[in-house]
Amino acid sequence: DAKTTQPTSMDCAEGRAANLPCNHSTISGNEYVYWYRQIHSQGPQYIIHGLKNNETNEMASLIITEDRKSSTLILPHATLRDTAVYYCIGSYSNYKLTFGKGTLLTVNP
Amino acid sequence: EAQVTQNPRYLITVTGKKLTVTCSQNMNHEYMSWYRQDPGLGLRQIYYSMNVEVTDKGDVPEGYKVSRKEKRNFPLILESPSPNQTSLYFCASSLQGTEGETQYFGPGTRLLVL
Repeated sequence: DAKTTQPTSMDCAEGRAANLPCNHSTISGNEYVYWYRQIHSQGPQYIIHGLKNNETNEMASLIITEDRKSSTLILPHATLRDTAVYYCIGSYSNYKLTFGKGTLLTVNP
Repeated sequence: EAQVTQNPRYLITVTGKKLTVTCSQNMNHEYMSWYRQDPGLGLRQIYYSMNVEVTDKGDVPEGYKVSRKEKRNFPLILESPSPNQTSLYFCASSLQGTEGETQYFGPGTRLLVL
């Protein structure tokens, strides 16, 4: 699995877009980029995943650079309930996910 | 409601006393997995199962056993718990464990081994 690098922490104002970066310069051509989040020791929650194209769902958007060496998770209108640790994971499949330390996103009122 | 359940949610035990943490899912998923989470180390996979009677080691299997006799259940067994197994444990499941699937996690079991 690709090694990923994320900032340790980020802040965002409530109602604004939260943009969480992830570097995965060693990712191979068939490795997906997955994003999960964990709210205060609860079970991780799937957010979104992608391979090459940008993706959007009801929770977030995922922007993957053309060279696939980095990506950005976008929460378009962050709320206080979005405060969590966000994990960016590079993986060949969904059956073995290697979680790093993630980014602690704090949404402030 | 689609969910993964774990029991117990909290457990305090003593070294060497066998224990089982149960995991059950109601989504007819083939893939199930166990993770442990420790401060500074993130989540690490212990064991996973691609289907009934099929299990495989993850990154940190030492000191753990699992079984998959039924599709819905995937218990984690600690035959002789030690203090270094004090951790937060998560069970997860997905349809087949292939790319593009959502992996659902249980609420966690906090274990303290004295």
